Amino acid sequence: ETGVTQSPTHLIKTRGQQVTLRCSSQSGHNTVSWYQQALGQGPQFIFQYYREEENGRGNFPPRFSGLQFPNYSSELNVNALELDDSALYLCASSRWAGQGNYEQYFGPGTRLTVT
Amino acid sequence: AQSVSQHNHHVILSEAASLELGCNYSYGGTVNLFWYVQYPGQHLQLLLKYFSGDPLVKGIKGFEAEFIKSKFSFNLRKPSVQWSDTAEYFCAVNPNFGNEKLTFGTGTRLTIIP
Repeated sequence: ETGVTQSPTHLIKTRGQQVTLRCSSQSGHNTVSWYQQALGQGPQFIFQYYREEENGRGNFPPRFSGLQFPNYSSELNVNALELDDSALYLCASSRWAGQGNYEQYFGPGTRLTVT
Repeated sequence: AQSVSQHNHHVILSEAASLELGCNYSYGGTVNLFWYVQYPGQHLQLLLKYFSGDPLVKGIKGFEAEFIKSKFSFNLRKPSVQWSDTAEYFCAVNPNFGNEKLTFGTGTRLTIIP
């Protein structure tokens, strides 16, 4: 166990709907990253938040958005869901201290199915 | 954009065999390198990481990896595998600037036969 929790565990949505996924960071961590892992693939970086500000974004459209709260928990929001959004969504937290040694701790993920 | 290649998609070994999983990346600058493992039904966890210094890195559970800058490689090794090493293994790269964006390979599924 890493201390990173995600909710819900599983979710089924219909194309066009909106979804919010939640992540609670490990205690003492100030950075959270979100990844999408399609079946049979490695995780793909969506974006990262550091002290409530976006700090890097991958090749995902603007309908993927996020928030980080003062307690460093985070949300991932996806609007206008498409079938290809079906995947495992992973949250990872770390303690960012500038360029240097760090480690991302991953949560168990939320399995999203879009029908 | 940087990319990570893991050429072995599925590796099957017998217990006590030696293991080497390949990882190559395409980025010319300074990089941080990682190997993560995902055991069946569990979350991703870090096996080992390289930031600087000795290019031979030792991790948990007897794993090690060697960073060869001239070959853009970071191969994972274990001298003698166990049945409990059955898992999915992911190599990841982070160019050393600004944030912790990890670029992952597609993973290698390792099956150990007792």
